[in-house]
Amino acid sequence: AQKITQTQPGMFVQEKEAVTLDCTYDTSDQSYGLFWYKQPSSGEMIFLIYQGSYDEQNATEGRYSLNFQKARKSANLVISASQLGDSAMYFCAMRDGSWGKLQFGAGTQVVVTP
Amino acid sequence: ETGVTQTPRHLVMGMTNKKSLKCEQHLGHNAMYWYKQSAKKPLELMFVYSLEERVENNSVPSRFSPECPNSSHLFLHLHTLQPEDSALYLCASSQENSGGVQGYTFGSGTRLTVV
Repeated sequence: AQKITQTQPGMFVQEKEAVTLDCTYDTSDQSYGLFWYKQPSSGEMIFLIYQGSYDEQNATEGRYSLNFQKARKSANLVISASQLGDSAMYFCAMRDGSWGKLQFGAGTQVVVTP
Repeated sequence: ETGVTQTPRHLVMGMTNKKSLKCEQHLGHNAMYWYKQSAKKPLELMFVYSLEERVENNSVPSRFSPECPNSSHLFLHLHTLQPEDSALYLCASSQENSGGVQGYTFGSGTRLTVV
């Protein structure tokens, strides 16, 4: 069963605007980690941000922030002040359990327009 | 060099060829992974190596054969592939059992086309 759900296949956002990418997950473990990766057209997977299940504060890394709502099992990524270089696929991923593997959602294609 | 390095970046091979993909990590990690990324599909975990032992094989066809000679190197040997095996193959590494939930560091991938 799919553990990570990204419901937005694609999004357009105007330069300098903020964009929110949705991610919901499913796990029965208490300890887990949530990750967001960016994949430009060149193919490499670039780590953006991490949220641990026990972290009380939402994670932030520069223009990236993670809106973590544990009870709703959602971990949305917010990109503020979008730039043209932000155009890429964005993947939400989760690891759960003591030796859980990193599992990915289907991804959201973001296109930033001038 | 730092990070995870994959070679070659691009590979075109015939269905009767034998080729190998190489992955090298310079991070001192103790686990390495092969993922397959096909068009319009989520990333699929293929193989997991921990301390050079294969700990997982997710029902991958035998025409894909992994090899992990040491903790820094991971290979994926390919033979008699099918056109549907064309995909981006990503290698990743992580440091396991160091406390907390660790993320993976990925290479840039090998884009494979089977003709």
